Amino acid sequence: EDKVVQSPLSLVVHEGDTVTLNCSYEVTNFRSLLWYKQEKKAPTFLFMLTSSGIEKKSGRLSSILDKKELFSILNITATQTGDSAVYLCAVEAMRNNNDMRFGAGTRLTVKP
Amino acid sequence: DTGVSQDPRHKITKRGQNVTFRCDPISEHNRLYWYRQTLGQGPEFLTYFQNEAQLEKSRLLSDRFSAERPKGSFSTLEIQRTEQGDSAMYLCASSLVAENTEAFFGQGTRLTVV
Repeated sequence: EDKVVQSPLSLVVHEGDTVTLNCSYEVTNFRSLLWYKQEKKAPTFLFMLTSSGIEKKSGRLSSILDKKELFSILNITATQTGDSAVYLCAVEAMRNNNDMRFGAGTRLTVKP
Repeated sequence: DTGVSQDPRHKITKRGQNVTFRCDPISEHNRLYWYRQTLGQGPEFLTYFQNEAQLEKSRLLSDRFSAERPKGSFSTLEIQRTEQGDSAMYLCASSLVAENTEAFFGQGTRLTVV
């Protein structure tokens, strides 16, 4: 059965710290892995990763995928209080009946 | 606003009543997903359409739940004989069937069953 596991489940840091969020998965016929940020409303898209070893960056956020070891990390450098949110990892399979499976999320709290 | 639109944003209903939610995806998107999210949990996959075809239903989707996408555009999710355990945020997302495209989420419909 497809599985997406995120760690840690929660994390509290201070402004300026760097954090690394983890997502491991077991999916038959992997297609892509996505990271979302969810605050009080619907999750917003951050990155889509399909190839191993290619880092994607957006400002202070970056992410990379390892398809051999079946995991991805999301890095946030110089964290700010506005980074406080739940970060969700989702995996999409390349099957006729494609669907996305989400992890439970990592709740990040950035204190001033 | 050309994003994914869901209606209503909030719904309070009595146990045993039927409710229906609507999702309007981004117009050129041919994939549409329904998810359910409860407090403190990540979104749980419910069902998925490609155009008008419903390709997969989660085991979470009981016989009381049904979804349609009759013309391959908007979709509806109906819950019959609601139970208190159905209280959750119901999220809709849409995407294109193409390489390296991402899914975009609506704001969700928050259902409270009293």
